[in-house]
Amino acid sequence: DTEVTQTPKHLVMGMTNKKSLKCEQHMGHRAMYWYKQKAKKPPELMFVYSYEKLSINESVPSRFSPECPNSSLLNLHLHALQPEDSALYLCASSQAGGQGLTDTQYFGPGTRLTVL
Amino acid sequence: SQQGEEDPQALSIQEGENATMNCSYKTSINNLQWYRQNSGRGLVHLILIRSNEREKHSGRLRVTLDTSKKSSSLLITASRAADTASYFCATTDSWGKLQFGAGTQVVVTP
Repeated sequence: DTEVTQTPKHLVMGMTNKKSLKCEQHMGHRAMYWYKQKAKKPPELMFVYSYEKLSINESVPSRFSPECPNSSLLNLHLHALQPEDSALYLCASSQAGGQGLTDTQYFGPGTRLTVL
Repeated sequence: SQQGEEDPQALSIQEGENATMNCSYKTSINNLQWYRQNSGRGLVHLILIRSNEREKHSGRLRVTLDTSKKSSSLLITASRAADTASYFCATTDSWGKLQFGAGTQVVVTP
């Protein structure tokens, strides 16, 4: 199984809502990532979890809160988002992460988020 | 921050033709990867080339890497309509962070 799954595929939320994005992989990968991608732009790294611990936070606003309940799951909790946060949110995983370890990242299909 | 610059930004070719796109980057790298993204979908990994490699092939794909010029190229031979997508190069630093170039949008017409 070389698949990373993401739910939901689409999400529309108001600025006062609280919602969560979910990501799952069963490849035994120990590094998981969240990216944000605006239209016609490349993905931008948000967070990296390595061995279930947050290892990189790319100065993401606190209205985005990541969580890694176990080695297969990665969540992104959303609260009080702004319309400019509307984007495609991509999850990825790789065999290992951290300094000196560089591996192919496998991406999920993404969640298309619209903030009204 | 964006590490790589890609050239051209857009490319339109006919089926059967070859497509070449280039990527330049700024800092030292451990490896460079190429990804494909169909419209609004997730990224698909195409090929990884390590800093000590100069050329790599995978099916109809050929990737070169010139670390002295900090540049890479992706060649797709005998293109097909299904190759229509955006192509991104991405460099990996020693922290494992993947930074993408701006991307090349390729359209292959039948």
